Amino acid sequence: DAKTTQPPSMDCAEGRAANLPCNHSTISGNEYVYWYRQIHSQGPQYIIHGLKNNETNEMASLIITEDRKSSTLILPHATLRDTAVYYCIVTGTASKLTFGTGTRLQVTL
Amino acid sequence: GAVVSQHPSWVICKSGTSVKIECRSLDFQATTMFWYRQFPKQSLMLMATSNEGSKATYEQGVEKDKFLINHASLTLSTLTVTSAHPEDSSFYICSARGRGVPYSNQPQHFGDGTRLSIL
Repeated sequence: DAKTTQPPSMDCAEGRAANLPCNHSTISGNEYVYWYRQIHSQGPQYIIHGLKNNETNEMASLIITEDRKSSTLILPHATLRDTAVYYCIVTGTASKLTFGTGTRLQVTL
Repeated sequence: GAVVSQHPSWVICKSGTSVKIECRSLDFQATTMFWYRQFPKQSLMLMATSNEGSKATYEQGVEKDKFLINHASLTLSTLTVTSAHPEDSSFYICSARGRGVPYSNQPQHFGDGTRLSIL
């Protein structure tokens, strides 16, 4: 599975968009980009995933560059409840998830 | 949808006892379930993968005789920590992948974890 690189931490003001970047320059053609988040002392929560097209759901948007070497998770209007560790994971079909250290997002008033 | 329930949430027990943790997919059938372990200030580490009706596949370094996994149905998997010792104290988390189409990119959905403390 392709390795991902994320900034260790980010801050975002409540109500503003949070843009979380992820680099995955060694991604293969059949590998998907998944985003999960983990709020303190809870299990990870699935957010969104995509292959090459941009995706949007009720939680977030996922923007994948044309060369697929990087992506950005966008939380359009961050709230205090979005404070969590966000994991970007690249994996092939039906493969296991390998969690890195993620990005610790702190949403502030 | 896609709710995974894990029970119990907390367990405190004496060294040498065995502890069973249940993982249930409440509103979908899970062909594959996964068990992870997370130590304080660390990321999740996959312990094993189980498919319904077959033996679990363990990650390197995980003792299969110590961490018994049973995936007897499409909605239930159990992890039994046998003869638990203080070093087994950790946060154990399960996840489940549904049978949707296409199966190849169905996401895993996680339970809320079980915090195990061995005295």
